[in-house]
Amino acid sequence: AQSVAQPEDQVNVAEGNPLTVKCTYSVSGNPYLFWYVQYPNRGLQFLLKYITGDNLVKGSYGFEAEFNKSQTSFHLKKPSALVSDSALYFCAVRVFHTGGFKTIFGAGTRLFVKA
Amino acid sequence: DGGITQSPKYLFRKEGQNVTLSCEQNLNHDAMYWYRQDPGQGLRLIYYSQIVNDFQKGDIAEGYSVSREKKESFPLTVTSAQKNPTAFYLCASSPRAISDNQPQHFGDGTRLSIL
Repeated sequence: AQSVAQPEDQVNVAEGNPLTVKCTYSVSGNPYLFWYVQYPNRGLQFLLKYITGDNLVKGSYGFEAEFNKSQTSFHLKKPSALVSDSALYFCAVRVFHTGGFKTIFGAGTRLFVKA
Repeated sequence: DGGITQSPKYLFRKEGQNVTLSCEQNLNHDAMYWYRQDPGQGLRLIYYSQIVNDFQKGDIAEGYSVSREKKESFPLTVTSAQKNPTAFYLCASSPRAISDNQPQHFGDGTRLSIL
């Protein structure tokens, strides 16, 4: 079965320190990969995506993600965390299935940035 | 500004009652989606529509119904057959569903609770 795993329910980091939110996937073919962020009682906001090309992609608010095909991972990173980065982060994979494309979301990782 | 509007923000359902959640978009997107979000489970697809007057079941369609009579609108009805409807419901859209590498745009959700 095709799946997306975010192995950490929660990540804690001090403000100013680098942060990493992990994502691994198990799908057939070459997927499209996305990261979204969700603030309380809000919808998801797009951060960045990997379609093809350079393995390091840059996105909104200083976030970046590294695609690693051999490890089937797409970890989200930021060099210096801000308290305002505290939110719920979702990794998503868009894969082909019968009738078109389907997006599979990870369970989410809650990021806490402490001042 | 273009976007997705969901209403109401909070909704309460009595036992045996059907309720309808509204979703309107002015992004001129062809594809629209309904997701259910429960704590720790990520997003699960209820229904999606690739074009007007067409829609497909997602992973958890039982107890739900939709319509797509206009490109801009994709209302979701939670029927009395859905025995555990308490959740956060998110509507999303994307330019196309087939061969689409664009991110989805999300509304700010409707929180449904049981009275």
